[in-house]
Amino acid sequence: KAGVTQTPRYLIKTRGQQVTLSCSPISGHRSVSWYQQTPGQGLQFLFEYFSETQRNKGNFPGRFSGRQFSNSRSEMNVSTLELGDSALYLCASSLVADLAYEQYFGPGTRLTVT
Amino acid sequence: QQQVKQSPQSLIVQKGGISIINCAYENTAFDYFPWYQQFPGKGPALLIAIRPDVSEKKEGRFTISFNKSAKQFSLHIMDSQPGDSATYFCAASEEGGGSNYKLTFGKGTLLTVNP
Repeated sequence: KAGVTQTPRYLIKTRGQQVTLSCSPISGHRSVSWYQQTPGQGLQFLFEYFSETQRNKGNFPGRFSGRQFSNSRSEMNVSTLELGDSALYLCASSLVADLAYEQYFGPGTRLTVT
Repeated sequence: QQQVKQSPQSLIVQKGGISIINCAYENTAFDYFPWYQQFPGKGPALLIAIRPDVSEKKEGRFTISFNKSAKQFSLHIMDSQPGDSATYFCAASEEGGGSNYKLTFGKGTLLTVNP
């Protein structure tokens, strides 16, 4: 069974621009969560989607948003990029919603904001 | 507020030795404690997990020890191998509580196993 895939793997953007990252969950998984990983803050929860609905959101500004499609694929968007948004963005999928049990992570998208 | 504290930040072990990574948590509602292993350029991979109803769980060379009263848990890697060199994260979640949807991670431990 294929794992979680994320595209693109690397991205360089300029401050003020916006960016969209994509995640395809493991086949059959309907819950997709997004995490931001930075050296200083570690891994922090961004949001979770299930059945095309955002069910939970972490403590991030409104510039961070996402959505989920009917095939469970998910995208996250960051608008008005800031230097501090440079991070590895990880997508994780699981079978059920509202449970962090057995979340499987993708390889991440490395975003660099200059 | 750092809800899961992980130590040490880095660890160097000789091949064949035992690697021990410790985590302490504050939220008594946490009831699911996984460990993740991350290699450079990869996402974290679920290694082993434990729930508070047991004090120890072993899978191959990896063992989690759990001390509910001290609110601590640790990962032991027996017979450490150079291929175990990676960053290890402990995490916690409230399976039965209000924050059951997310993992709260420790800051990670960079393990280097010398040949």
